[in-house]
Amino acid sequence: EAGVAQSPRYKIIEKRQSVAFWCNPISGHATLYWYQQILGQGPKLLIQFQNNGVVDDSQLPKDRFSAERLKGVDSTLKIQPAKLEDSAVYLCASSLVSGAPSSYNEQFFGPGTRLTVL
Amino acid sequence: DAKTTQPPSMDCAEGRAANLPCNHSTISGNEYVYWYRQIHSQGPQYIIHGLKNNETNEMASLIITEDRKSSTLILPHATLRDTAVYYCIVIHAGNMLTFGGGTRLMVKP
Repeated sequence: EAGVAQSPRYKIIEKRQSVAFWCNPISGHATLYWYQQILGQGPKLLIQFQNNGVVDDSQLPKDRFSAERLKGVDSTLKIQPAKLEDSAVYLCASSLVSGAPSSYNEQFFGPGTRLTVL
Repeated sequence: DAKTTQPPSMDCAEGRAANLPCNHSTISGNEYVYWYRQIHSQGPQYIIHGLKNNETNEMASLIITEDRKSSTLILPHATLRDTAVYYCIVIHAGNMLTFGGGTRLMVKP
């Protein structure tokens, strides 16, 4: 089965510019996540979608970051305007919806987009 | 979700078992223990998870102590390709993953 796809793999921009990342989850996965991973740290969740609705965006800096998943499949994450501290790897992940208390929450991650802000 | 404590780094000889510890002394009865790993320049990869019982799959074994306050991930025959950062995460089922610093495992020839 195909994995989570992300593009571009690398992006270099100057501060105050805009940038967008694209993610295509595993087919049939209703839940999609965007994470930010700063060098040397673990990934931090930015936003979670269930189909095309937002479940949790409490950690998303909404003054500059936005994300959408219009048809409940692909998703885009945008930063406008970018700051130096936004330099990081942006990871997309997806998982099946499961509500049973004994089930597990396996997320499949894409390769990430490495953003460098100069 | 319970907080976890892992050593920042460990070494292991190729072909030997790698035993990665995780302390989660504040775990509650319905929280699961998950392990993910992240190989350099890749996204995290699910390894294994458990609630109370020990678990084994094709990648690893998970040993959870009887009081559930700690666990150990075991890679039975470590290879160079197992060099990665290993994350131990404790969460309620359905909750979002919260990654800490993890353990950087270096497998040496």
